[in-house]
Amino acid sequence: EVQLLQSGAEVKQPGESLKISCKGLGYSFSSFYIAWVRQMPGKGLEWMGYLNPDDSNIRYSPSFQGQVTISVDKAINTAYLQWNNLKASDTAIYYCVRHITVNADWYFDLWGRGTLVTVSS
Amino acid sequence: SSELTQDPAVSVALGQTVRITCQGDSFRTYYASWYQQKPGQSPILVMYAKNNRPSGIPDRFSGSRSGNTASLTITGAQAEDEADYYCHSRDITGYQNLFGGGTKLTVL
Repeated sequence: EVQLLQSGAEVKQPGESLKISCKGLGYSFSSFYIAWVRQMPGKGLEWMGYLNPDDSNIRYSPSFQGQVTISVDKAINTAYLQWNNLKASDTAIYYCVRHITVNADWYFDLWGRGTLVTVSS
Repeated sequence: SSELTQDPAVSVALGQTVRITCQGDSFRTYYASWYQQKPGQSPILVMYAKNNRPSGIPDRFSGSRSGNTASLTITGAQAEDEADYYCHSRDITGYQNLFGGGTKLTVL
């Protein structure tokens, strides 16, 4: 089955570090970009950035540049999203998604189940 | 503008037709994609490119574009179509992704 398998829910304190993961299964992981999307409680979807697993090229949304780090381990078909100094405002569900290009258009055809990150003292 | 604008809420009577719209300058260049999200679930892709439905999406869903406005039309809305709908596009620089704020669809 083609899927994106995300790591489990996390509860952290402000100031802590965190790295969540997304493993691609059932398809050629290096052939498709992976993106991360944030959804804060009761709010809409926000694109954070994407990476090309083949060459590790990464592009961030200006809103998230410097706030998070996106990385990949191509050998194990896994992408990561990392924080070094969590804030309460990072509390959200984080989705990894497969990022597709058709002609010049982009879309997200495969979504993980999401990782709930709760940051609270 | 680097934003996509959606109406926050739309309602439709069961079996009737509803159009969910999304405005943004990027649509003068790129097509929208549309995502359906039901409570407690991950979003799913329901429309992409010019008017393409992924496998498993009913043919009552269709997409269109005119000027700076993209639309998702549901012809004969069903109770199971009640959900949040998000539009998405590549931005006008070509390097970023944009999401609309979402439209909550209620089927009466």
